[in-house]
Amino acid sequence: DAGVIQSPRHEVTEMGQEVTLRCKPISGHDYLFWYRQTMMRGLELLIYFNNNVPIDDSGMPEDRFSAKMPNASFSTLKIQPSEPRDSAVYFCASSTDYEQYFGPGTRLTVT
Amino acid sequence: DAKTTQPPSMDCAEGRAANLPCNHSTISGNEYVYWYRQIHSQGPQYIIHGLKNNETNEMASLIITEDRKSSTLILPHATLRDTAVYYCIVSDRGETSGSRLTFGEGTQLTVNP
Repeated sequence: DAGVIQSPRHEVTEMGQEVTLRCKPISGHDYLFWYRQTMMRGLELLIYFNNNVPIDDSGMPEDRFSAKMPNASFSTLKIQPSEPRDSAVYFCASSTDYEQYFGPGTRLTVT
Repeated sequence: DAKTTQPPSMDCAEGRAANLPCNHSTISGNEYVYWYRQIHSQGPQYIIHGLKNNETNEMASLIITEDRKSSTLILPHATLRDTAVYYCIVSDRGETSGSRLTFGEGTQLTVNP
């Protein structure tokens, strides 16, 4: 398996634009997690899904952030409108038991 | 989930054992100890986890004290590629799916030649 796949790997956008980050989990994994990492706040969980259903979105910072999982092999994290403080590395992870497998991350820069 | 305390940084000579401590004095009976590491610019990587018994796998050993208030991750023969931030995490999800992980600041381990 290729592991967790994230795209794009780097995204530079202007404030106010919509940003969509994509994730393909490992086949057969029933849990999917979205994390954000910044120097100030470290690595924090935003939301996670089980069998495509959002279970806990308490980490989503505000209404500008939304996440979907339309099927078992695809998830998106959308920011609309984006702000400079959203600049961070966004990681997607998937699991089927105790071990979470992380993707390479998307580095988002909002200018 | 219980809070963990780790030293911010440690150094280790290549080929020697690296012993990374973690304090989790408020851990409860059903909470597991997990260790992940993050090599610069990569996603975190699972290393090992345990409840109360010592555990060993191909990457590392985990020693948990009898009172479970602290643990030590041991990399038996550290290499330069082990340079990373190591996170000690306590979670009550154990070995079921959907373990919610709360990452702290971790320990920056630098392995020196």
